[in-house]
Amino acid sequence: EDKVVQSPLSLVVHEGDTVTLNCSYEVTNFRSLLWYKQEKKAPTFLFMLTSSGIEKKSGRLSSILDKKELFSILNITATQTGDSAVYLCASKGAQKLVFGQGTRLTINP
Amino acid sequence: DTGVSQDPRHKITKRGQNVTFRCDPISEHNRLYWYRQTLGQGPEFLTYFQNEAQLEKSRLLSDRFSAERPKGSFSTLEIQRTEQGDSAMYLCASSLETGTYNEKLFFGSGTQLSVL
Repeated sequence: EDKVVQSPLSLVVHEGDTVTLNCSYEVTNFRSLLWYKQEKKAPTFLFMLTSSGIEKKSGRLSSILDKKELFSILNITATQTGDSAVYLCASKGAQKLVFGQGTRLTINP
Repeated sequence: DTGVSQDPRHKITKRGQNVTFRCDPISEHNRLYWYRQTLGQGPEFLTYFQNEAQLEKSRLLSDRFSAERPKGSFSTLEIQRTEQGDSAMYLCASSLETGTYNEKLFFGSGTQLSVL
């Protein structure tokens, strides 16, 4: 059974801190790993990673994939209160996307 | 708005009633997915369609659940004889599958179901 595990499940930091969110996966016929941000309703797409060692970057967010260790991280630098959300990691095999439980990130001013 | 649309946004029903949700995907997308999400959990896969064909259903999906995508465009998810355990957010997502690895799912805002 395909499986995605995220850690930590919850994280509270102060504005300006840097955070690292972790995602490990076991997926048959791995195709890609995706990160989403969910604030209220619809998860919104952040990154898709298919190759090991290539960092994807968007502003203060970055992510990297390790296909040997079956692991991905999402980094957020200089956090802002608007970064407070649930961050979802998902892995795609041949067919469907399998999600982890999410990491609830809270940024305190 | 050219994103994924779901209707209704909220549904309150009594146990034992039937409910139906609708999803309109992004127009050129050939794949449509249904997920269920409960509080504190990630989205859980229910089923997906490629065009009008239903290609996979989760083993967790009981026979009270049925989904259709009759013309390969919008989809409906019906739950018969609802139970309190069906209370959840039902998310629809769509994507364009081209045979490469670059499939990204775009989600609708979901239908929040409360079964009393």
